[in-house]
Amino acid sequence: KAGVTQTPRYLIKTRGQQVTLSCSPISGHRSVSWYQQTPGQGLQFLFEYFSETQRNKGNFPGRFSGRQFSNSRSEMNVSTLELGDSALYLCASSLGDSYPEAFFGQGTRLTVV
Amino acid sequence: QKEVEQNSGPLSVPEGAIASLNCTYSDRGSQSFFWYRQYSGKSPELIMFIYSNGDKEDGRFTAQLNKASQYVSLLIRDSQPSDSATYLCAVSSGGSQGNLIFGKGTKLSVKP
Repeated sequence: KAGVTQTPRYLIKTRGQQVTLSCSPISGHRSVSWYQQTPGQGLQFLFEYFSETQRNKGNFPGRFSGRQFSNSRSEMNVSTLELGDSALYLCASSLGDSYPEAFFGQGTRLTVV
Repeated sequence: QKEVEQNSGPLSVPEGAIASLNCTYSDRGSQSFFWYRQYSGKSPELIMFIYSNGDKEDGRFTAQLNKASQYVSLLIRDSQPSDSATYLCAVSSGGSQGNLIFGKGTKLSVKP
């Protein structure tokens, strides 16, 4: 069974640009969550999608948004990039509430210059 | 503010010893508890999960949960150098279980 796939693996963007990251969950998993990992703040929850609906949102500005498609694939968008957005962005998928074990993809390393 | 606290370490143990990793959490409504292992430059890997008070064993790993004390621990028996990594404690934050609050991790070093 294929794991969680995130693309691209690495990105370099300029301040003010926008970026879209993609996540394909494990087959059959309907919940997709996004996290930001930085050395200073650790892993922080961004948002969670289940059956195309955002169920939870973390404490991040509105520049961070996401969506989920009918095949459970998810995208995350960051607009007007800031230097502080440089981080490892991780996607995790799970079957759902009765089986909340979440499995992470390899992440997208975003560098904003 | 819901928080998960871990000792940042580093925790150094000799090969073959038991490594004990601890975690406390603030939200009494938390229902699910997870331990992830993260090697440097890699993504977190789920190694244990526990939902009920008590112990849960899987191979060399034992997770312990005490909801009354809001405390979760991970024991690694017969520690190996390959266990050297950062161990992240994660707690589901009420409602939807897709919202995990992570501790900042404990760095474990197993010396040959």
